[in-house]
Parts: sequence; C-alpha cells; structure tokens
Amino acid sequence: DAEITQSPRHKITETGRQVTLACHQTWNHNNMFWYRQDLGHGLRLIHYSYGVQDTNKGEVSDGYSVSRSNTEDLPLTLESAASSQTSVYFCASSGTKGPQETQYFGPGTRLLVL
Amino acid sequence: GQSLEQPSEVTAVEGAIVQINCTYQTSGFYGLSWYQQHDGGAPTFLSYNGLDGLEETGRFSSFLSRSDSYGYLLLQELQMKDSASYFCAVKSGANNLFFGTGTRLTVIP
Repeated sequence: DAEITQSPRHKITETGRQVTLACHQTWNHNNMFWYRQDLGHGLRLIHYSYGVQDTNKGEVSDGYSVSRSNTEDLPLTLESAASSQTSVYFCASSGTKGPQETQYFGPGTRLLVL
Repeated sequence: GQSLEQPSEVTAVEGAIVQINCTYQTSGFYGLSWYQQHDGGAPTFLSYNGLDGLEETGRFSSFLSRSDSYGYLLLQELQMKDSASYFCAVKSGANNLFFGTGTRLTVIP
C-alpha cells in the first residue's frame, strides 16, 4: 500500500543546531508539503513543492529550507534551530493541484528545541 | 489575506447530531475541505465542497454556501470514536490549502 512516512518521529535538539526532518512518500505524488502545528494556530504551511527541483515558500518559511531531488522525498531543514521552532511537523502529499485536492499526511515529527 | 473561523470546542452526546461551522474570508475561493485529526494522529481527509449544497458521505455531511462564505460539517449518530479535532480548509487563489485552527469535538456517553 502507498504511504507517507516521516523520520524521526521524535527529536530533541539544542538551539543553534541544524536539524533535518525526513519525509518519504510512495504515492508517486508530484505535490509535497510541510506544515507545522501549534496550539491555537492549526496547520501552517512552511514550504511546498510541485515537482522535482521545484520549491516554494509558504506562510511561515523563515528559518526553514527544503530541497526536492526526486519525487519521493522532501526533507525539511532547520538551518539553526530556535526554541520557537518547537512544534509538531507534518509532511503531506497530493496528486493534483485542482480544486478538489486531497492531501495525505504523514504521522508527524515532534521536535523539541532546548 | 485569508482567514477561517470555527468554534474551538464542541461537546455532544453519543448518538446525537452535531454541526461544526466554518466561515471564511479569502480571495479566489475554489472550495472548502474538512479534515479529521485524532489526538496524536495525522489529519485525514473527510470531505470537499466545491459547489453550494450538501455532500453526504455516510454519517458525515458537509455543506457550503459560497454567497455566505460559510460551510459546516454535520456528524450524525455520533460515536465515541468521533471525538477528535476537525479542521476546515480553503483552496484559494494561491493554490494551497489554508487551514482553520480546528474544532475539538468531545463525544460524551
């Protein structure tokens, strides 16, 4: 069965360190997204990609970067982790950009920045 | 900009019906979606409305009124497992989904 996985599921890091969160999907979807979820804010879009070599900034992109070298993977990098980046991070993918877009979410990564 | 408003919490009795409302402000509106998220889990797609009216999927229905910038999710025959957070999301001119802050539904016996 097709799926979308994230690793690690839990991560503790220190302020200033570089951290990379992995996202891998076997849906063969062109579109991939990274969100962060915080209490009171719902899901906020960090970065997204519509295909290989394509990346775009979302609503809260400062301090984050992504790269898309193949269809299956969209790693999210925190260049220099800050305590404000403590959050739950979700990766998602979709097969269409049309109005009736269904996004499939990974299980999430809980990140704690000390 | 975009904004979505939905109640933060709703409590309902098992077997009853509950309605979760969502009002939105956005440019280039293309449709309203609903996602369910259980505690500790990932959001999962429930329904989509691109046109005015009611869409039914089993115990869940979703309604949209584009003229009122309003929609709702209707859950019937509530079960304990329906206790979760429910998010409305709009597809707008930016071609991305913009999510509301979610409604936490608690189903009580």
